[in-house]
Amino acid sequence: DPKIIQKPKYLVAVTGSEKILICEQYLGHNAMYWYRQSAKKPLEFMFSYSYQKLMDNQTASSRFQPQSSKKNHLDLQITALKPDDSATYFCASSQEGKETLYFGSGTRLTVL
Amino acid sequence: QQKVQQSPESLIVPEGGMASLNCTSSDRNVDYFWWYRQHSGKSPKMLMSIFSNGEKEEGRFTVHLNKASLHTSLHIRDSQPSDSALYLCAAVRGSALGRLHFGAGTQLIVIP
Repeated sequence: DPKIIQKPKYLVAVTGSEKILICEQYLGHNAMYWYRQSAKKPLEFMFSYSYQKLMDNQTASSRFQPQSSKKNHLDLQITALKPDDSATYFCASSQEGKETLYFGSGTRLTVL
Repeated sequence: QQKVQQSPESLIVPEGGMASLNCTSSDRNVDYFWWYRQHSGKSPKMLMSIFSNGEKEEGRFTVHLNKASLHTSLHIRDSQPSDSALYLCAAVRGSALGRLHFGAGTQLIVIP
């Protein structure tokens, strides 16, 4: 029974389009994150949110915009998609003050 | 930019053997280290954490940390085929909780 739900599991997009990756967590955590993992790079931090506020942003491009409509939601909007954006995007959460991160199952994005 | 280096890139051990994995951070301000395990096509799952110098054992898994050299190692004794996975080392500063810096990982293969 997954406690961090990511949708969709697989996503194929064309260059220049826009997609939204969905993440909901049911662990009762107040901190949520986005990480990205590709064949070219190790698992890398993108954003962190605490109590629905942006805490840290490692993504240089404004094409990546996290959106938090509820405490347990953190979606990721990606605009003007490029083939280099192809990766698996993992949502994660933790209880603030305790640093173990729990990861969702990921959304595998392929940009053609 | 902080870098986390892991070695070896890949490791093959026989079932029942000992696997030893290494990890070093280039950031002198690192406070905590984690080891995550990622089976093929799955999300990373926290295996062990270590915050202070010394050794920590949990079942077949032992983690060592030398904070002076920013080096941690993971040892798996009596390795099982189900241990075959990508092992990721992560480091974080106490001032940037949740922003884990991951290494590229060690791919462990345990041969029956």
